[in-house]
Amino acid sequence: AAGVIQSPRHLIKEKRETATLKCYPIPRHDTVYWYQQGPGQDPQFLISFYEKMQSDKGSIPDRFSAQQFSDYHSELNMSSLELGDSALYFCASSTRQGYEQYFGPGTRLTVT
Amino acid sequence: AQSVSQHNHHVILSEAASLELGCNYSYGGTVNLFWYVQYPGQHLQLLLKYFSGDPLVKGIKGFEAEFIKSKFSFNLRKPSVQWSDTAEYFCAVTWDAAGNKLTFGGGTRVLVKP
Repeated sequence: AAGVIQSPRHLIKEKRETATLKCYPIPRHDTVYWYQQGPGQDPQFLISFYEKMQSDKGSIPDRFSAQQFSDYHSELNMSSLELGDSALYFCASSTRQGYEQYFGPGTRLTVT
Repeated sequence: AQSVSQHNHHVILSEAASLELGCNYSYGGTVNLFWYVQYPGQHLQLLLKYFSGDPLVKGIKGFEAEFIKSKFSFNLRKPSVQWSDTAEYFCAVTWDAAGNKLTFGGGTRVLVKP
């Protein structure tokens, strides 16, 4: 069965650079969620989109922005990167809001 | 703010032993409950879920969980673990009144010794 696809899988950036993470949900899933998992921590919700509109917002820094496109894929844009942004970024998708979320493999971002 | 707590951070047990991981959540109305597993170096996989109905739910890989509303708990169990169950286990909750974002417990690292 098709799963959530994230790209790139690994990304190394320097401080103050920008990064773009991409997420392709499971076909026919219209809701996308972004989570950040720091080293040794549990995932923390960043932001979600339903039918291309932002549906909820968590602890996402103002330096980050995201959007969902007409084909339902989503991109997380991160600017002015800081060392503390180093983490695993997961995308999840669901058929509609409130239903079980299926996670992608994550993008491991390292900021040096 | 709503919160989720897992009782144990680390659990070590031998193959064939029984496993029970505790999970409690804060009150906040109607909830949806999940257990996810994260094998080393892999992404989160859904083990089981509870939305409504029978409070005893069965998931994949022989896991089950029981929702006890009066105790705000959703404990995960497996009668006999295998070495391949070594992983980190996350309890997660969504509250209908708080949107659809998952709030995770701190995770429990389970090590099964062969």
